[in-house]
Amino acid sequence: EAGVAQSPRYKIIEKRQSVAFWCNPISGHATLYWYQQILGQGPKLLIQFQNNGVVDDSQLPKDRFSAERLKGVDSTLKIQPAKLEDSAVYLCASSLVGDPYGYTFGSGTRLTVV
Amino acid sequence: AQSVSQHNHHVILSEAASLELGCNYSYGGTVNLFWYVQYPGQHLQLLLKYFSGDPLVKGIKGFEAEFIKSKFSFNLRKPSVQWSDTAEYFCAVSSGAGSYQLTFGKGTKLSVIP
Repeated sequence: EAGVAQSPRYKIIEKRQSVAFWCNPISGHATLYWYQQILGQGPKLLIQFQNNGVVDDSQLPKDRFSAERLKGVDSTLKIQPAKLEDSAVYLCASSLVGDPYGYTFGSGTRLTVV
Repeated sequence: AQSVSQHNHHVILSEAASLELGCNYSYGGTVNLFWYVQYPGQHLQLLLKYFSGDPLVKGIKGFEAEFIKSKFSFNLRKPSVQWSDTAEYFCAVSSGAGSYQLTFGKGTKLSVIP
């Protein structure tokens, strides 16, 4: 089975620029997560979707981060404007409604803000 | 709010040595516990999980973990490590309150010397 696809793999931007990350979950996985992993730390949840609805975005810095999952499949995470502290790996994960802990993680997008 | 502590930042072992990685969590209610592994250049993968029942859980690749409720611990063990076990290991907890979100520890990097 194909895994969770993320792009780009790497991105370098200057502070105050904007950036977008894309995630294509495993087919049929209704639940989709975005996690932020700062170097030396574990992944931290940013937002959880079920189909195209937001389940939890309480840890998403909404003044600069936004995410959408139109049509309940692909998802995009955007940062505008980026700050130096946003440098991290952004992980996408998906799971089936019937197997909520059966996470499959993507390889992530490594963002460097300079 | 729940939290996870992994006390060892970096562990270096010789092949065939025994491994024990510590994980402590703070949450007063029912928890589901997980260990994930991230091999160099790869995505996060589930090693094992505990929901209920036998507190000694066996996972893939010869790993096991023991849930000790009185100590709020879920330590990962392997009797004899191999060079291929070199990776970063993350302990995670979910409150099981229906959101299925994971709270991760900071991770422990394991280096196995041939």
